[in-house]
Amino acid sequence: GAGVSQTPSNKVTEKGKYVELRCDPISGHTALYWYRQSLGQGPEFLIYFQGTGAADDSGLPNDRFFAVRPEGSVSTLKIQRTERGDSAVYLCASSLWGTSGTLDTQYFGPGTRLTVL
Amino acid sequence: GENVEQHPSTLSVQEGDSAVIKCTYSDSASNYFPWYKQELGKGPQLIIDIRSNVGEKKDQRIAVTLNKTAKHFSLHITETQPEDSAVYFCAATHSGYSTLTFGKGTMLLVSP
Repeated sequence: GAGVSQTPSNKVTEKGKYVELRCDPISGHTALYWYRQSLGQGPEFLIYFQGTGAADDSGLPNDRFFAVRPEGSVSTLKIQRTERGDSAVYLCASSLWGTSGTLDTQYFGPGTRLTVL
Repeated sequence: GENVEQHPSTLSVQEGDSAVIKCTYSDSASNYFPWYKQELGKGPQLIIDIRSNVGEKKDQRIAVTLNKTAKHFSLHITETQPEDSAVYFCAATHSGYSTLTFGKGTMLLVSP
């Protein structure tokens, strides 16, 4: 079956611009996660959705970062006033339940490589 | 919060040798430990995971061991092949918290 897909695969933007990154989770998966991966590092948690609501956004670095999942499926990560330090690979993952008390597998997409010039 | 340390950062082996990657975690409440393989330009792919109610799990050439007392877990790959070359990440979480904390990764290079 289809896995997690992310678009675009690459995004180059200029400092100060606004960007949107899209994630299509595996069909039927309730939980959706955004991670950020800098060069040579492991993925770092940004935000987690359970259905339409953000269950945990403690990993968002500042208020320039925002994410939505209005219908409980596709999610968009939005970054305002981009800075060079935002350059990284943004990974999306989904899991079947993701609720507290379960330990279901997270399946990752290929990521969006964001470069801020 | 949870902190995961992973060693070594790079590992070079000859084809057919075994490879071992080790991770330690800080949160004694963690009870789920997945391992991901990431190839260049791709997202992490789950290769094996272990829950805290077992000490070892095997899947063909791959095995994972867990020592809850010492708070460390290890990935063992036997009979390595060139296609095993990739970056491997360990991670940890617990049932009261759904997001994963990752180690910094190990670049495994298997030479023919």
